[in-house]
Amino acid sequence: DSGVTQTPKHLITATGQRVTLRCSPRSGDLSVYWYQQSLDQGLQFLIQYYNGEERAKGNILERFSAQQFPDLHSELNLSSLELGDSALYFCASSVPTWAGGPSGEQFFGPGTRLTVL
Amino acid sequence: KNEVEQSPQNLTAQEGEFITINCSYSVGISALHWLQQHPGGGIVSLFMLSSGKKKHGRLIATINIQEKHSSLHITASHPRDSAVYICAVRSEAGGGADGLTFGKGTHLIIQP
Repeated sequence: DSGVTQTPKHLITATGQRVTLRCSPRSGDLSVYWYQQSLDQGLQFLIQYYNGEERAKGNILERFSAQQFPDLHSELNLSSLELGDSALYFCASSVPTWAGGPSGEQFFGPGTRLTVL
Repeated sequence: KNEVEQSPQNLTAQEGEFITINCSYSVGISALHWLQQHPGGGIVSLFMLSSGKKKHGRLIATINIQEKHSSLHITASHPRDSAVYICAVRSEAGGGADGLTFGKGTHLIIQP
């Protein structure tokens, strides 16, 4: 158990719908990362938050958005869903090796499996 | 060409064999991660390297920054080592931007 929790475990929805995935980082971790794993693209970095602020963006679509709340949990919002959005969505958390510096090891949550029908 | 290339893509070996998985990358990095993903989908961090060599139990990871290459070795392999092993790099961008770039993974099967 990494200490990172994600809900829900599974989500089945229809095209055009909107869903919210939730992540609670390990206690004390300030950085949260969202990753998408699909069969054709593999694992891809979506977005990173650090202590409530967006720090880095990867291959995140405009239909997707995220935020990190004061209690450090994070939500990933996916809207206008398409069949191709079906994937495993992982959240990871880490602490910086020093304040404002690069992170150490990343700890991954169990993932949310999204199926868009 | 992917920024992170792994080889082999698939590897089947007998229990007890010494296993090597390779990772090459084409960008400047500040760290390299080796991850393990089991059939259930969960991802476990095995190592984070920025230089040299690290060992944990039967697992050894090495990195050569000049050659932009890393290897993951498994000694005395066991069927429970069967999993997908993924190499991932953190770019030199700095500023605390730490999103990883991943290889496609090596699917390892250890037969009893």
